[in-house]
Amino acid sequence: DAGITQSPRHKVTETGTPVTLRCHQTENHRYMYWYRQDPGHGLRLIHYSYGVKDTDKGEVSDGYSVSRSKTEDFLLTLESATSSQTSVYFCAISDHSFKQFFGPGTRLTVL
Amino acid sequence: KNEVEQSPQNLTAQEGEFITINCSYSVGISALHWLQQHPGGGIVSLFMLSSGKKKHGRLIATINIQEKHSSLHITASHPRDSAVYICAVFGNEKLTFGTGTRLTIIP
Repeated sequence: DAGITQSPRHKVTETGTPVTLRCHQTENHRYMYWYRQDPGHGLRLIHYSYGVKDTDKGEVSDGYSVSRSKTEDFLLTLESATSSQTSVYFCAISDHSFKQFFGPGTRLTVL
Repeated sequence: KNEVEQSPQNLTAQEGEFITINCSYSVGISALHWLQQHPGGGIVSLFMLSSGKKKHGRLIATINIQEKHSSLHITASHPRDSAVYICAVFGNEKLTFGTGTRLTIIP
């Protein structure tokens, strides 16, 4: 299995609070991705990174920001969480082959 | 219209049956992925293909680039194959996903 972890695995928070999710890899892969998974929508790309300090938006980036200061870490921040951001968040990594390896997921509930 | 369409959305079959899940897409791609998501939530990449056919154990994936269509077949299905199967197409460094096919194999 690819070395990819996510933390926390579960989080319950209140509307308006900031939340940061962490994705950590030990594979030295160039590409990292944040997705959210919601019933009826499948997986949707939030943001992705193609190198340290190089990031770009996905299809559902509003309300989210990311940072990648090191190859191994990709952080997803919800500046002010809303109930619509209740979801399961997956991180994924890939190398030049673009085969993706997924983390275990983080279940976020915003009350 | 979604860029990636899967059919059927749900499929229930008896153990031992031959299973086919279909995926059609409307955009240009450089590769197509088939993923498996078990009830526990973990997502595993089964295949990545850009042409022809790939086989791994009882799983076979095919793609027809001209028709923009791919199929995932499972031979001699088993209850442990019960999962959600997701088709995703890769282009411009990003994946676009179908909504998945929920497969249930009854013993």
